[in-house]
Amino acid sequence: AQRVTQPEKLLSVFKGAPVELKCNYSYSGSPELFWYVQYSRQRLQLLLRHISRESIKGFTADLNKGETSFHLKKPFAQEEDSAMYYCALISSGSARQLTFGSGTQLTVLP
Amino acid sequence: DAGITQSPRHKVTETGTPVTLRCHQTENHRYMYWYRQDPGHGLRLIHYSYGVKDTDKGEVSDGYSVSRSKTEDFLLTLESATSSQTSVYFCANLDRYTGELFFGEGSRLTVL
Repeated sequence: AQRVTQPEKLLSVFKGAPVELKCNYSYSGSPELFWYVQYSRQRLQLLLRHISRESIKGFTADLNKGETSFHLKKPFAQEEDSAMYYCALISSGSARQLTFGSGTQLTVLP
Repeated sequence: DAGITQSPRHKVTETGTPVTLRCHQTENHRYMYWYRQDPGHGLRLIHYSYGVKDTDKGEVSDGYSVSRSKTEDFLLTLESATSSQTSVYFCANLDRYTGELFFGEGSRLTVL
């Protein structure tokens, strides 16, 4: 069974400080991992995916297969980064089963 | 947003009444999902569909049923609503090739 764990329900940092949102997964195959974000009163939207290895809004995430982690990082947090962040895994088979972590509410303080 | 809309957006109902939430997509995505979002639990999968008349249970399917009679619409039904089903419900569809989910705006259901 696949599983995604986000150990921090709440995370607060000051503006300009580095931020890291943790995500660990368990999956027997080759995972596809994503970070989704939900800003206040908005729908969830994709932030980034591991296969594209891109940086979106200053965020990056590296897949570490040895540690089965996909932590989200940003060197200098901004107040507009305050949101709920979800890590998600999709199975690579034809069934395309999706599993989300329980989410981390990030608050960036002024 | 992959043209995905939910209705109703808000609903208040009483315990024991049936409720149906509708998810409509303008894309032709095969996979569609219903999630509920609750504080402390994040997003939990209720049911999903991998094609017309093809559906399967998620992790919190008890008390819910779904139907997919055409590609565009995925209906979630609470046969007899309970207070524990008070939640925000999100529908999503999946671009199978990129793995990206596109979400609706959510339906806030309150069961009194």
